[in-house]
Amino acid sequence: EDQVTQSPEALRLQEGESSSLNCSYTVSGLRGLFWYRQDPGKGPEFLFTLYSAGEEKEKERLKATLTKKESFLHITAPKPEDSATYLCAVQYGTASKLTFGTGTRLQVTL
Amino acid sequence: DSGVTQTPKHLITATGQRVTLRCSPRSGDLSVYWYQQSLDQGLQFLIQYYNGEERAKGNILERFSAQQFPDLHSELNLSSLELGDSALYFCASSSRGQGVMAGNTIYFGEGSWLTVV
Repeated sequence: EDQVTQSPEALRLQEGESSSLNCSYTVSGLRGLFWYRQDPGKGPEFLFTLYSAGEEKEKERLKATLTKKESFLHITAPKPEDSATYLCAVQYGTASKLTFGTGTRLQVTL
Repeated sequence: DSGVTQTPKHLITATGQRVTLRCSPRSGDLSVYWYQQSLDQGLQFLIQYYNGEERAKGNILERFSAQQFPDLHSELNLSSLELGDSALYFCASSSRGQGVMAGNTIYFGEGSWLTVV
């Protein structure tokens, strides 16, 4: 069964404490892996698209990487404003719809 | 601001009623997607339209229907509402439909929060 699994479900970090979020997927014909950030009651905000294994993308304190089975979102020296739910989604086969994982709730404290 | 506009932002209605959610995609985007997000579930794909035609269907109930108009805006109609239909409904848009080799970035609106009482 096609699946996207994110871990951990929740993560609490102190400001400046770097960590990584994981997204593993079991789909055929991956065309893109997407990372979104979602604040409570808001729509998902696009962060990155990764297309092939070995690819990396960076934006401020965030860096996304992709292998053939999983993706990592590395957060370096996080700040409280990085607190949000981070969603991973895949686009595969001939469909353009996204299939989402259930997200990682990140809380960064002072 | 993603450029995807959804109305209304909040809606409270009674069981058995019918509501319509509206979405205007980003300028130039031909594809519109509808997703449902409940408190205990992730984002669930409902349906996709591309340039006025239904392109893909997900876990959409028979009580729900959607359409995309010639000006590319879309409406999601929810009827015979039940308590379990209470959720955030997101519209998203992208420039392309399907069969595209490269990833097709999808941008989300801020959602319509539906409460059924």
